[in-house]
Amino acid sequence: NAGVTQTPKFQVLKTGQSMTLQCAQDMNHEYMSWYRQDPGMGLRLIHYSVGAGITDQGEVPNGYNVSRSTTEDFPLRLLSAAPSQTSVYFCASRPPGRGQETQYFGPGTRLLVL
Amino acid sequence: GENVEQHPSTLSVQEGDSAVIKCTYSDSASNYFPWYKQELGKRPQLIIDIRSNVGEKKDQRIAVTLNKTAKHFSLHITETQPEDSAVYFCAASRTGGSYIPTFGRGTSLIVHP
Repeated sequence: NAGVTQTPKFQVLKTGQSMTLQCAQDMNHEYMSWYRQDPGMGLRLIHYSVGAGITDQGEVPNGYNVSRSTTEDFPLRLLSAAPSQTSVYFCASRPPGRGQETQYFGPGTRLLVL
Repeated sequence: GENVEQHPSTLSVQEGDSAVIKCTYSDSASNYFPWYKQELGKRPQLIIDIRSNVGEKKDQRIAVTLNKTAKHFSLHITETQPEDSAVYFCAASRTGGSYIPTFGRGTSLIVHP
């Protein structure tokens, strides 16, 4: 299994540009999440999904959109990038159910918005 | 919602010393408390977790303690080694549903040889 994969690894955008951060997992996990990591701020939840067709907002959803058309993929869209969105983005997944709470993280995408 | 406070933000120790990182949580219904380690440039990975039905759990040099009454839990690392240098995150969540963990802000542990 490849686990959780993310592309690209690094991206530079100009203010106002749009882009999609890709996340995929091959573990058949129903739950998937997007976090952003900023210095001193920990891991903050952007959006999450509990299954195909179901998404919900996390702590910092503004400026980001998500969709979940398949179990495997959970892309994160930036519609109009802003310098405040410069961050490291992590996707995570886990199976449902009690005793299955471990989050499996992807390698991260480092985004710089100029 | 849940709020997790983590202290200290930075911890510097000498190799062989012990290190303790403390977290508090606000939601009394939280019953699952994992700890993740993130090495420089890498992804966070689970190192140990504890559930609310136990007060302490050990795995070799690391241990976690939980005080449900006070709503705090701690990570203890004994005989620290340079490879323990990393950022450590605590988290808290409920179990049995679609609950997503809330993370603390992280502790940067530096172990000096």
